[in-house]
Amino acid sequence: KAGVTQTPRYLIKTRGQQVTLSCSPISGHRSVSWYQQTPGQGLQFLFEYFSETQRNKGNFPGRFSGRQFSNSRSEMNVSTLELGDSALYLCASSFPTGEGNTEAFFGQGTRLTVV
Amino acid sequence: DQQVKQNSPSLSVQEGRISILNCDYTNSMFDYFLWYKKYPAEGPTFLISISSIKDKNEDGRFTVFLNKSAKHLSLHIVPSQPGDSAVYFCAASAFGANNLFFGTGTRLTVIP
Repeated sequence: KAGVTQTPRYLIKTRGQQVTLSCSPISGHRSVSWYQQTPGQGLQFLFEYFSETQRNKGNFPGRFSGRQFSNSRSEMNVSTLELGDSALYLCASSFPTGEGNTEAFFGQGTRLTVV
Repeated sequence: DQQVKQNSPSLSVQEGRISILNCDYTNSMFDYFLWYKKYPAEGPTFLISISSIKDKNEDGRFTVFLNKSAKHLSLHIVPSQPGDSAVYFCAASAFGANNLFFGTGTRLTVIP
């Protein structure tokens, strides 16, 4: 079974630009979450999508947005990039059973550098 | 406010010995806990999890212990192998919520 796939792996953008990152979850997984990892703040939750709806949101500004498609693939968009947005962006997929929590499986991440 | 804490940034252990990684949490709503292993520039790899209805869960060389009254969990790796060298994160979530709260990680070095 293929794992979580994130594209691209590396990205360099200029301040003020926008960027879109893509995530394909494990087949059959309907929940996709996004995380940001920085040296200073560690791993922080951005948002979660389930059945094309944002179900949960972390404490990030509105410049960070996402969406999920009917095939569960998800995209994350960051507008008006700032230097502080440089980070490893991780996508995780899971198969919520409704009976409790399940493990989240992560992709390899997209390393975004803003210059 | 860090709701999940790993107070030891690093740990060194001899090959073959036991590695014990610790994690504390503050939010009493957390009821599901996970351990991940991570290499630089890669995504975390799921290792083992435990629900709050249990106090122990084993998977091969990995055992997680949960002490709810102390809001503390630990990961035991026995025996430790050089390939276990990585950063280990504990994470927690509340029932029905898929957002994970991560600790800051502990870098484990297993010395051959």
